[in-house]
Amino acid sequence: AQSVAQPEDQVNVAEGNPLTVKCTYSVSGNPYLFWYVQYPNRGLQFLLKYITGDNLVKGSYGFEAEFNKSQTSFHLKKPSALVSDSALYFCAVRLRNTGGFKTIFGAGTRLFVKA
Amino acid sequence: SQTIHQWPATLVQPVGSPLSLECTVEGTSNPNLYWYRQAAGRGLQLLFYSVGIGQISSEVPQNLSASRPQDRQFILSSKKLLLSDSGFYLCASDSGGNQETQYFGPGTRLLVL
Repeated sequence: AQSVAQPEDQVNVAEGNPLTVKCTYSVSGNPYLFWYVQYPNRGLQFLLKYITGDNLVKGSYGFEAEFNKSQTSFHLKKPSALVSDSALYFCAVRLRNTGGFKTIFGAGTRLFVKA
Repeated sequence: SQTIHQWPATLVQPVGSPLSLECTVEGTSNPNLYWYRQAAGRGLQLLFYSVGIGQISSEVPQNLSASRPQDRQFILSSKKLLLSDSGFYLCASDSGGNQETQYFGPGTRLLVL
């Protein structure tokens, strides 16, 4: 089955330290991969996506993600975490579906950045 | 980019009462529209999606229904709410292609008592 996995329910990091939020996927064909962020009581916001080309994708708020085809991973990274980065992060994959395409979301990883 | 509006922002309803949540989209035409439910600030459950007016697909059997009376309007309804219908409801939109980003509304928090 085609799926997205976020193995960590929660990631804790100190402000100023690098952060990584993990994502692995299982899809047939070329994957279209996304990261979204959700702040409390808000809708999801798009951060970045990988379609093709350079494996390192840069996105909003200083975030980046590295596509690794051999490891089927798309980990989200930031060199220096901010307290304001604390939020719920979702990895997602775009799949072909009956009548078009649909997006499959991972279960989410809660990031806590401590001052 | 697309802008998604949802209302109301918060709703408290008694068990057995009807429900109507509305979502409208700006900045695009003929979008794909989605209703998700999010429980306890965690994962998203896709409830319904629509590729056009009057075209609704249900992902899970449940107490809810959806309708799309206009191109950029998507409505989530129930005739009789259950306690288990409580949650955070998100409307989303995309343009249907394989590379498309989904745009989300601000959500409606529903509490059924």
